[in-house]
Amino acid sequence: EIVLTQSPGTLSLSPGARATLSCRASQSVASNFLAWYQQKPGQAPRLLISGASGRASGIPGRFIGSGSGTDFTLTISRLEPEDFAVYYCQQYGSSITFGGGTKVEIK
Amino acid sequence: QVQLQESGPGLVKPSETLSLTCTVSGGSVSSPRHYWGWIRQPPGKGLEWIGSIYYSGTTFYSPSLKSRITISVDTSTNQFSLHLKSVTAADAALYYCARWAVGSSDAFDIWGQGTLVTVSS
Repeated sequence: EIVLTQSPGTLSLSPGARATLSCRASQSVASNFLAWYQQKPGQAPRLLISGASGRASGIPGRFIGSGSGTDFTLTISRLEPEDFAVYYCQQYGSSITFGGGTKVEIK
Repeated sequence: QVQLQESGPGLVKPSETLSLTCTVSGGSVSSPRHYWGWIRQPPGKGLEWIGSIYYSGTTFYSPSLKSRITISVDTSTNQFSLHLKSVTAADAALYYCARWAVGSSDAFDIWGQGTLVTVSS
């Protein structure tokens, strides 16, 4: 089973800042089957990125996914107030697993 | 617009079986382009995939839960279900059902709102 490690656990930033979230896999993720989700308190997760870099329908361009193999990154180019949330990566290659999440909080 | 809605008892006794149903509206569980899955989230913690099913009945289960879970699909009612046996306090969580888009996003693109399950006698 592939283990996904997300870092940092918490990211404290101001609106307008750039956020860089990391997701590292214990082994290579096949065909870059790596997705990112956003979850706000009291809400279900929302798909942001699939295939490591493809934005889901309706997702703003400030959300950028990149990476391959074992190292993946979600960049939020300029944080909007509604972007403060918890972000999870998830792989589909060997079974399905989620990372532990990164909380992006207002500094 | 496809929507998913979880339903089932909010309280289950230890050692008993947790049974949840997900009703799909605005779409069909018989779609060949989608799998249907269950994911859970203990309070204040992260997400854990439980398992997924295709309309044909093909299932994929989490290795850590495989011995205790059964997921089934009912195309006549447009629903799919989760049965988790021998529950313990560790199974208390918010349970989500979600749609997996095969060959397009290959991710969970639509989620239900979740249903909270407590395990207590």
